[in-house]
Amino acid sequence: SAVISQKPSRDICQRGTSLTIQCQVDSQVTMMFWYRQQPGQSLTLIATANQGSEATYESGFVIDKFPISRPNLTFSTLTVSNMSPEDSSIYLCSVGSGNEKLFFGSGTQLSVL
Amino acid sequence: TQLLEQSPQFLSIQEGENLTVYCNSSSVFSSLQWYRQEPGEGPVLLVTVVTGGEVKKLKRLTFQFGDARKDSSLHITAAQTGDTGLYLCARDTGGFKTIFGAGTRLFVKA
Repeated sequence: SAVISQKPSRDICQRGTSLTIQCQVDSQVTMMFWYRQQPGQSLTLIATANQGSEATYESGFVIDKFPISRPNLTFSTLTVSNMSPEDSSIYLCSVGSGNEKLFFGSGTQLSVL
Repeated sequence: TQLLEQSPQFLSIQEGENLTVYCNSSSVFSSLQWYRQEPGEGPVLLVTVVTGGEVKKLKRLTFQFGDARKDSSLHITAAQTGDTGLYLCARDTGGFKTIFGAGTRLFVKA
């Protein structure tokens, strides 16, 4: 198993600003992902955070809006840029383990006014 | 399609009742995961089912994988208030890219 610390746990932000979410894992992991969970919805994969190279984004998500850093095997950040109310969601960091298991952080509850 | 359809979307029951939630797809998958997400937390893996017809039990939770590996069910016996949460089925589409169903929100009343 992996212990994932994500911060901030919640934030209220103004339209047009940016927020950086941090994800720290207690062990080195190869696969690290960022998900979005819109209010009352399921989880949607934003991107795979690749160590030492650019993140791999899913359809509908772009680097300019959601820049991701992965400086080492235990840490990643996701920035939500130029926020609008439509970005209000829970953002979740997750890591992959053997047998297709995913472990998740507690999430960041973002509200954009 | 690789979409996972879950039903019901919402379920509110009394403590002690039994319930079943379903996960269906039009395509065959090699394995399927069930997660539970409590408010303010990330999803937590409950079980992975792999073999068609497989049944796994986790205390009061019984998970079944359909013979054709296109569907799965989760049955909870004698529900407790602690079972309240969002139940998600999910499948790995390759390289740990996991897609999730829309989930079943369960509320168990005392």
